[in-house]
Amino acid sequence: DVKVTQSSRYLVKRTGEKVFLECVQDMDHENMFWYRQDPGLGLRLIYFSYDVKMKEKGDIPEGYSVSREKKERFSLILESASTNQTSMYLCASSSDRDSKEGVGGRLFFGSGTQLSVL
Amino acid sequence: ELKVEQNPLFLSMQEGKNYTIYCNYSTTSDRLYWYRQDPGKSLESLFVLLSNGAVKQEGRLMASLDTKARLSTLHITAAVHDLSATYFCAVAPTNAGKSTFGDGTTLTVKP
Repeated sequence: DVKVTQSSRYLVKRTGEKVFLECVQDMDHENMFWYRQDPGLGLRLIYFSYDVKMKEKGDIPEGYSVSREKKERFSLILESASTNQTSMYLCASSSDRDSKEGVGGRLFFGSGTQLSVL
Repeated sequence: ELKVEQNPLFLSMQEGKNYTIYCNYSTTSDRLYWYRQDPGKSLESLFVLLSNGAVKQEGRLMASLDTKARLSTLHITAAVHDLSATYFCAVAPTNAGKSTFGDGTTLTVKP
């Protein structure tokens, strides 16, 4: 089974701190994604990556950056955390091989990190 | 901009009843997904629908896709308590890769 591991389940940080959220997948997936989930707003895409060292902005990239130095690891960085970044952060990965095999790029999610910024 | 709308957003059902969740999307797409999220847990994939007229079934859940109407349905047959969860549809436009999610439908099945 695909495993997507997020480093922390719960995290509490102070306003202005630099925050790193780590995500590792073990199935050699090409594509990795960061979403945030907020009540009433659903899932919103922050950043994604189709390959090592490449990144693309999603729908709400402001205040975030990402790093993908290795294929299996995709990090989300909050440069200066703010209270409106309090949220559940979900990492996901998908495979191009899935598309070729007709299963079409479904996402495999990590268990999420609930971040509170005080 | 791709928009994905689900309805209803909240659904309370009696056990044994049938119901349908609807997912409409605004632009052409060739891939539609359904996910399930249990309270306090992450999302897991239920169905992948890749072509017009596609139908997938797993237990009491059946998903279908009409690309001309830009509509997918998730039909629940003879609901049981274990189906209580939030169900999301997500759409990925052709060759774009990234998925846009609906707001989710929170299903509660009561005895």
